[in-house]
Amino acid sequence: GEDVEQSLFLSVREGDSSVINCTYTDSSSTYLYWYKQEPGAGLQLLTYIFSNMDMKQDQRLTVLLNKKDKHLSLRIADTQTGDSAIYFCAGGGPGGGNKLTFGTGTQLKVEL
Amino acid sequence: NAGVTQTPKFQVLKTGQSMTLQCAQDMNHNSMYWYRQDPGMGLRLIYYSASEGTTDKGEVPNGYNVSRLNKREFSLRLESAAPSQTSVYFCASSDPDRGQGGELFFGEGSRLTVL
Repeated sequence: GEDVEQSLFLSVREGDSSVINCTYTDSSSTYLYWYKQEPGAGLQLLTYIFSNMDMKQDQRLTVLLNKKDKHLSLRIADTQTGDSAIYFCAGGGPGGGNKLTFGTGTQLKVEL
Repeated sequence: NAGVTQTPKFQVLKTGQSMTLQCAQDMNHNSMYWYRQDPGMGLRLIYYSASEGTTDKGEVPNGYNVSRLNKREFSLRLESAAPSQTSVYFCASSDPDRGQGGELFFGEGSRLTVL
């Protein structure tokens, strides 16, 4: 099966940019996703990128995909305290459908 | 619009007890999933149901059973709970035939402690 790895923690100051990184092993994923989990809640889709794209921008969010290195990143511009959460990258496994494989999650802490 | 609803939100069991986690979605999605979330391990797929009447094992199915009761409901049963099953359980649903590969919609989670 696919392995998806992320660093566990990231701390930034309010107003700075945050960059959360993810590496994966399976290059057959059609879509790659970023989900956000706030304390005590389920995961919510933040954004996604189709595997034939290199970059996607969505307001403060920029997703970069390096297929050669199997590296996915999420950049959050002008990080706010409300961005404090756990961020998961996920990719679709072989066989299609939505059997997503999730990374370990990165806990983002935004300090004043 | 409730989305995905899980019950109970919290449960404490003794080793060997059984229980069922309930999940229902009102979005008319074909696919439903059970994940468990453990610190430092992300979410791992326990079982999924691609459509009503079908269920398949995920990455960590041992110790669990599931029932896709109808299109709306997908339950997860622990027949003989073990401390290793202490975790937060998430139900999710999706419709893979929709755009972007079918976004997963998650419930709020069920926190299970097995003593």
